[in-house]
Amino acid sequence: ETGVTQTPRHLVMGMTNKKSLKCEQHLGHNAMYWYKQSAKKPLELMFVYNFKEQTENNSVPSRFSPECPNSSHLFLHLHTLQPEDSALYLCASSQPGTGDGGNTIYFGEGSWLTVV
Amino acid sequence: QKEVEQNSGPLSVPEGAIASLNCTYSDRGSQSFFWYRQYSGKSPELIMSIYSNGDKEDGRFTAQLNKASQYVSLLIRDSQPSDSATYLCAVNTPYSGGGADGLTFGKGTHLIIQP
Repeated sequence: ETGVTQTPRHLVMGMTNKKSLKCEQHLGHNAMYWYKQSAKKPLELMFVYNFKEQTENNSVPSRFSPECPNSSHLFLHLHTLQPEDSALYLCASSQPGTGDGGNTIYFGEGSWLTVV
Repeated sequence: QKEVEQNSGPLSVPEGAIASLNCTYSDRGSQSFFWYRQYSGKSPELIMSIYSNGDKEDGRFTAQLNKASQYVSLLIRDSQPSDSATYLCAVNTPYSGGGADGLTFGKGTHLIIQP
């Protein structure tokens, strides 16, 4: 249990569907992230939110739409996805400015997405 | 373009030996360095963080940082079969003061500890 909870853990969706991934963190952090992990590729940073404000969109296609209603919750809305979007989507959180200049990120268990 | 390079392996080490994992990074402005362990089908979990040049030890794990060479390593002493996993090197290169910047990850090194 990492303090970051993601639902659903597994999702299969058609290319015309609309679905959402949900993330909730219980660590009292102010920053939340979405990462994508595909086979044989490094973890890719998708979005960063700091105090509910989006501070980074890493050139992510518009078929991925994030939402951060508060510092504890983060959503990733999915619509008209492609099969190549099938991957493990990881939510993470951190508390910026803590530690010795660090920005330690804690991950949730991930949501396995399959687009058919 | 920030890059983090790791040898993908697999790196095979006999049980009880020292496993040595290496990582290089491209951005000299990088300030924080992390090692994550990821078991198959699971999410990454933090093992070590290091911010200053030199060694940092935590139990069987030692992280080493050399900013001049842009090099980070992780040593695992007395390797156990349960250490078999993919080890991800991650680097934080802040570009906005005090903010949340995310981490740049390498592809990971697959480590196998042979009983």
